[in-house]
Amino acid sequence: GAVVSQHPSWVICKSGTSVKIECRSLDFQATTMFWYRQFPKQSLMLMATSNEGSKATYEQGVEKDKFLINHASLTLSTLTVTSAHPEDSSFYICSARLSSLAEKLFFGSGTQLSVL
Amino acid sequence: RKEVEQDPGPFNVPEGATVAFNCTYSNSASQSFFWYRQDCRKEPKLLMSVYSSGNEDGRFTAQLNRASQYISLLIRDSKLSDSATYLCVVWGSSYKLIFGSGTRLLVRP
Repeated sequence: GAVVSQHPSWVICKSGTSVKIECRSLDFQATTMFWYRQFPKQSLMLMATSNEGSKATYEQGVEKDKFLINHASLTLSTLTVTSAHPEDSSFYICSARLSSLAEKLFFGSGTQLSVL
Repeated sequence: RKEVEQDPGPFNVPEGATVAFNCTYSNSASQSFFWYRQDCRKEPKLLMSVYSSGNEDGRFTAQLNRASQYISLLIRDSKLSDSATYLCVVWGSSYKLIFGSGTRLLVRP
């Protein structure tokens, strides 16, 4: 099956620093990628939809200036958490689908972010 | 009201038991439904799609009741390795996957 590679798996950083998370589709081209965030014992919450070559679409309540998404190629999307604070500590996970009509999502392995 | 609701559990069952999870969704226009499994701090993995006619995959059976907007997952002959969080997932509007908060299953020896 299709593979989505996400790294890093774990990040520990100081408050105020920025953290970049990468998501790559290894054997297919992903025109759309989705970024989710999951707090402990809660569901995955969609943060934004990343579209290759255009601006990301953010969900209500997600600060676009804080969570910068770049989808510069068909195989790479990045999420940068700018000026991270302890409340940003969470599990971030990306996903992609093979086409705009495909229902099955392929997930990256996730990034656990801890902001001290 | 949440778009997808699940009983959070945990369900604590002995090996070999049969356990059922339920899920309700609020958007009557939803067309596609899935059960995913998620282990702690891991990505969700697709367990099975859910069809109106019901479908079975080994020890797992999924059912959909559109009239009641209700989805179920039945696990027979539980194994220790079945311990995980089971996520009810619905394709919402604008082609977005909506995840339930998950039901935690603990299978004990």
